[in-house]
Amino acid sequence: EVQLVESGGDLVQPGGSLRLSCAASGFTFSSQSMNWVRQAPGKGLEWVADISGSSNTIHYADSVMGRFTISRDNAKNSLYLQMHSLRDEDTAVYYCAAAVLATFDWWGQGTLVTVSS
Amino acid sequence: DIQMTQSPSTLSASVGDRVIITCRTSQSISSWLAWYQQRPGTAPNLLIYKASALESGVPSRFSGSGSGTEYTLTISSLQPNDFATYYCQQYYSYPYTFGQGTKLEIK
Repeated sequence: EVQLVESGGDLVQPGGSLRLSCAASGFTFSSQSMNWVRQAPGKGLEWVADISGSSNTIHYADSVMGRFTISRDNAKNSLYLQMHSLRDEDTAVYYCAAAVLATFDWWGQGTLVTVSS
Repeated sequence: DIQMTQSPSTLSASVGDRVIITCRTSQSISSWLAWYQQRPGTAPNLLIYKASALESGVPSRFSGSGSGTEYTLTISSLQPNDFATYYCQQYYSYPYTFGQGTKLEIK
């Protein structure tokens, strides 16, 4: 059974930093591109970043470029999102998602990041 | 960026109804389109990929069609657990973008 479990969400002040993790199981993690997608409270879905299986190729949304860093550790079956210079508008549930046939085939349950003073 | 426009934003329907949700894109995406269902408080769930391919395990009452810049999601006979929010998403080019969502409500 495929499982993606996010962790690391918290309340953080504007300008602060946070690192999210996503633990994967039930599939060959190193073979799949992985994504972070977020959803602000009561709003729609926004793609944040993706990383190829080998970490060779990475893309970011303009809204997080230069502030967020996506990475992975295939030996630990884990995906990460390092977030710096957090803003109010980064408040959201952050999902990790695996790309298989589409881009977001399998999703975790999400972790809530709240940016507020 | 490719803009995604879903319609309608809200749709009221009854169990057993046939409903159609439309997604228009600002440029051709060559069928690189997916549809997701999201129930309140849960993660989205992939329904359709490559515009018309049904994800494994998804009921056959869901179907997708379209090409170029216009795509549709059809639910042939609404069931009680189909009342949710639906999103289209293009994966033709970066940045990947979503429609704003269609909330399907019980009439």
